[in-house]
Amino acid sequence: QSALTQPASVSGSPGQSITISCTGTSSDVGSYNLVSWYQQHPGKAPKLIIYEVIKRPSGISDRFSGSKSGNTASLTISGLQAEDEADYYCCSHGGSASFRVFGGGTKLTVV
Amino acid sequence: EVQLLESGGDLVQPGGSLRVSCAASGFTFGDYSMSWVRQAPGKGLEWVSLIDTTGGNTYYSDSVKGRFAISRDNSKNTLYVQMNRLRAEDTAIYYCVKGGRSWYYFDYWGQGTLVTVSS
Repeated sequence: QSALTQPASVSGSPGQSITISCTGTSSDVGSYNLVSWYQQHPGKAPKLIIYEVIKRPSGISDRFSGSKSGNTASLTISGLQAEDEADYYCCSHGGSASFRVFGGGTKLTVV
Repeated sequence: EVQLLESGGDLVQPGGSLRVSCAASGFTFGDYSMSWVRQAPGKGLEWVSLIDTTGGNTYYSDSVKGRFAISRDNSKNTLYVQMNRLRAEDTAIYYCVKGGRSWYYFDYWGQGTLVTVSS
């Protein structure tokens, strides 16, 4: 059960847009539209921000958007704000081989 | 309001056992799958186990398969994980997580309970 691959860190300035990639394989990300994204602030529990690749839960800002192409899913945050500084994790269904698999996480710094 | 309250985290010796619980409220517990997700100190998230609505189907990561057992009591709105043959690498915060409508994502997380495996 190999973890999905995310960049260790990304950064952006307030007002800019950033994109975090999440690369898996044809057995997980590539086979299912079942990628979700979670935001985690230091010392806090993770929070769902995107599910089923593109859907946003109620209450999540439309500055957060998701997409997928082939084996890679992406999270885009537009109009960066200071409070977006956090760790971000992707997760995918992996079928019977790796039922649920997370990415290694990406630390977003708003400079 | 959905609430998930974990309890039972402790310091355990390698090879020991521990049961962690999660009391759920604010939703119809028996209608949703539940999972345990862990996070080692300073590390990323790792999915551990999932149980379906009735408890009839359970799933485990390779790292805990054969050592951990997830269960639920829908009459008590409580989720459990029995952890046996614990190893140092099992040291982590264990989060109780509610499945979404389609059970392929996690829509609510507890605050976690710390399990430390050390002699």
